[in-house]
Amino acid sequence: DGGITQSPKYLFRKEGQNVTLSCEQNLNHDAMYWYRQDPGQGLRLIYYSQIVNDFQKGDIAEGYSVSREKKESFPLTVTSAQKNPTAFYLCASSIGNRGLSEAFFGQGTRLTVV
Amino acid sequence: KQEVTQIPAALSVPEGENLVLNCSFTDSAIYNLQWFRQDPGKGLTSLLLIQSSQREQTSGRLNASLDKSSGRSTLYIAASQPGDSATYLCAISGGGADGLTFGKGTHLIIQP
Repeated sequence: DGGITQSPKYLFRKEGQNVTLSCEQNLNHDAMYWYRQDPGQGLRLIYYSQIVNDFQKGDIAEGYSVSREKKESFPLTVTSAQKNPTAFYLCASSIGNRGLSEAFFGQGTRLTVV
Repeated sequence: KQEVTQIPAALSVPEGENLVLNCSFTDSAIYNLQWFRQDPGKGLTSLLLIQSSQREQTSGRLNASLDKSSGRSTLYIAASQPGDSATYLCAISGGGADGLTFGKGTHLIIQP
């Protein structure tokens, strides 16, 4: 069954703690993305990667970090520097080819600061 | 910078009606436009992808149109059903490597 798997579905973070959100895809896609969704706002791009071992900051990268060591995996770390991390996080992938291909999304991780 | 606007923000209609959701964008230099559906607490499900060279795409009861010159797209839902209740998102690809620009969505409720 091809798709994008995000885990965990729910995550709770204490103040000052780093947490890592997992995103795995078996679609053989080159490009992967992380978005943040807040109530009443559109999705905002955090980081993206077009190829293994390369990634770029999106519009709201401060307080986040990523790695792309494998084509299938694009984990997102929410660091203690992110002052307002409570949000719904969505991972996406596409074949690549710049803007020509369809994007597919995972089921999301809801992060809450406690 | 591309801006995407979706109107209305919310819509409630009786079951069986045909309806139109609107999406407008400020920069006509797009590569494609994608419509998504999002159920509460869930991820996004791709509904239709329209390439910039296309005028419309159809899938079942859904039809999406694209008019680049006017910066508009519409999603037409025929014979609406309660199961169509969800938030519908419009997203634009500008051809760069940096993914999609999203509207804030239209929250649709179909009354049984």
